[in-house]
Amino acid sequence: SQQGEEDPQALSIQEGENATMNCSYKTSINNLQWYRQNSGRGLVHLILIRSNEREKHSGRLRVTLDTSKKSSSLLITASRAADTASYFCATERGAQKLVFGQGTRLTINP
Amino acid sequence: GAVVSQHPSWVICKSGTSVKIECRSLDFQATTMFWYRQFPKQSLMLMATSNEGSKATYEQGVEKDKFLINHASLTLSTLTVTSAHPEDSSFYICSASQEPTGELFFGEGSRLTVL
Repeated sequence: SQQGEEDPQALSIQEGENATMNCSYKTSINNLQWYRQNSGRGLVHLILIRSNEREKHSGRLRVTLDTSKKSSSLLITASRAADTASYFCATERGAQKLVFGQGTRLTINP
Repeated sequence: GAVVSQHPSWVICKSGTSVKIECRSLDFQATTMFWYRQFPKQSLMLMATSNEGSKATYEQGVEKDKFLINHASLTLSTLTVTSAHPEDSSFYICSASQEPTGELFFGEGSRLTVL
C-alpha cells in the first residue's frame, strides 16, 4: 500500500512563482526521494535526501526533511512552463522497493 | 546517465489476448528490475521485483499467473499480461537497478489499452 501522502494534489501557479509541495510518510526511512513525471512519460529522479539531512539543494530545487514529523517538502523556485509535471515523493520499503506518494500535479501558467 | 528502454510505448489489444512488454537496460547490467503499474492520475504501485535467473517476487494482491515476469538476462526483463481484460488497461513502468551502485533508472513506460 502507498504510505506517502502529498499535498496539494494539484497546484497551479504563474511562471516565475515558487511552487511548494509536501509529502508525508508513515514509517522510518533511510532516505526520501523526489521524482518528476511528465504526462504519459516515465519518472525522472530529481533529488535524494538522507534521513540525517535536513535540507538539500539542486539548482532551483530545495528539499527539506523533518523526520520527527515524517514529512518532506519540495520547493521549486522561479518556476518555468517546463516544470509542468507531476511530482512524487518516494521512500524505500527495503531492497530498493519504492513506495510512492500520491503525487502533486503542478501546472505552470505562462 | 543510464538508459532504460521499454517497448512497446503503447499497445492496444483485444480482450483475451496476451501482451508482452519489454524492459531493457541499454548501457548497464541490472540484476534486479521492478515493475510498477499506474492508473490515470494516480500514483505508481509496485507489482513485482524481477530477479535475473530466478523467479520474480510479486507484491500482495498481484496475480503471478496473470502477470508473467521473465528476467532471462542481465539487461532484459519482460512482463506478459496474459488473457488481458479491459481492467488491465494501465500504464506499466519498469525500473532497473544499476550494478554495483544500486541507483535506479526508470523506463518511459508502456501504455496498455485492452478493448
